[in-house]
Amino acid sequence: QLQLQESGPGLVKPSETLSLTCTVSGGSISSSSYYWAWIRQPPGKGLEWIGTVYYSGSTYYNPSLKSRVTISVDTSQKQFSLQLSSVTAADTAVYYCARHGGTSIQYSRFDPWGQGTLVSVSS
Amino acid sequence: QSVLTQPPSASGTPGQRVTIFCSGSSSNIGSNTVNWYQQLPGTAPKLLIYRNNQRPSGVPARFSGSKSGTSASLAIGGLQSEDEADYYCSAWDDSLNGHCVFGSGTKVTVL
Repeated sequence: QLQLQESGPGLVKPSETLSLTCTVSGGSISSSSYYWAWIRQPPGKGLEWIGTVYYSGSTYYNPSLKSRVTISVDTSQKQFSLQLSSVTAADTAVYYCARHGGTSIQYSRFDPWGQGTLVSVSS
Repeated sequence: QSVLTQPPSASGTPGQRVTIFCSGSSSNIGSNTVNWYQQLPGTAPKLLIYRNNQRPSGVPARFSGSKSGTSASLAIGGLQSEDEADYYCSAWDDSLNGHCVFGSGTKVTVL
């Protein structure tokens, strides 16, 4: 059974870079059938897609975050990572990683999800 | 402001049918498939419906999805207390080089 686990600092200072890693277990990260995604949820608010990476390294990003986001994949470690630069308090959220699967990106869905990790931005 | 529009809340008594609507545009729901996620309090979202109307294994048959034009809907037939949760629709949007969009979420309350 595929499982995903987020890891990284729970507290980041304003203007610094938020870095998170998602480790995939119970399945392959290199399958051509799947992409891998980051999604976040500010406290008490809805879900926001951050971006998606393919095992080859190609990426799709949320247009509103694109200038600050980098998502990469390390197939040897079965991990993919998120970097969000110049963070502010508005970036405080629970960050989820998920498999973004489907025959093509337009028909794909997020399943399964990691448990999520809360990242707070504060000095 | 979310690209996909959902009502903030919906409610029903046990056994009732509740329907949640998700409104989009030609670049997202009108062109691509819709997925629905259920988020129970304090937990990660879970895939409930994919490709407009497909249920993953383990999802009860009382959950059903449909799509027409630029709108989609999620129906919960025979509402149960454990269905009290937030529900989000999502679709790929072909504009701006392609990106994924979520609805604002609907809180379902079982009265």
